[in-house]
Amino acid sequence: GAVVSQHPSRVICKSGTSVKIECRSLDFQATTMFWYRQFPKQSLMLMATSNEGSKATYEQGVEKDKFLINHASLTLSTLTVTSAHPEDSSFYICSASVIGTGESGNTGTQYFGPGTRLLVL
Amino acid sequence: AQSVTQLDSHVSVSEGTPVLLRCNYSSSYSPSLFWYVQHPNKGLQLLLKYTSAATLVKGINGFEAEFKKSETSFHLTKPSAHMSDAAEYFCVVSDLAGTASKLTFGTGTRLQVTL
Repeated sequence: GAVVSQHPSRVICKSGTSVKIECRSLDFQATTMFWYRQFPKQSLMLMATSNEGSKATYEQGVEKDKFLINHASLTLSTLTVTSAHPEDSSFYICSASVIGTGESGNTGTQYFGPGTRLLVL
Repeated sequence: AQSVTQLDSHVSVSEGTPVLLRCNYSSSYSPSLFWYVQHPNKGLQLLLKYTSAATLVKGINGFEAEFKKSETSFHLTKPSAHMSDAAEYFCVVSDLAGTASKLTFGTGTRLQVTL
């Protein structure tokens, strides 16, 4: 249980275009989803926290107009990188926080998607 | 504020020997602590978590970790390393147990397993 998927797994786009990444919780409902960015050989950096039905909360230094987050349902959040540039190339990972899977003690634990590698040319 | 320090950026062990990945934390509250593993170009998989219950936590794939409040440590161990254990390991702290609070990640420890 507690599986999170991301689509696409890898995307290459031209500079100036927008890219949408989907994050889905497959077998549970998630009130909160998180978006992270990971540079090569570095740790994860939290970009924003997304709650279903409300505006995302962005971390300091993350441009909300650049990284648009929509959390339309308890199983889906999307991250859109608008007007992408080469410096936006990175590994983007989402996570979903469990609100109930029938497994005791899992509430609040974050389960991570497999990540999306974005390359902007 | 909360923080995590992973004391080793790289650990190398021989297959069949014990694994020790060290982690120290700092937290203003009673923390939840996690270990996640990341294989190359993959997302993160939860190995185990501590949320104020038993201090010795058993996880998947034979890993376990012990929460020591007096030492503010949460070291990850495994009695016998396997080649498939080679990956990046992250120690993570969360201040509020049972809620969807923000996670603070350590810088990671790369585990290499040799024959």
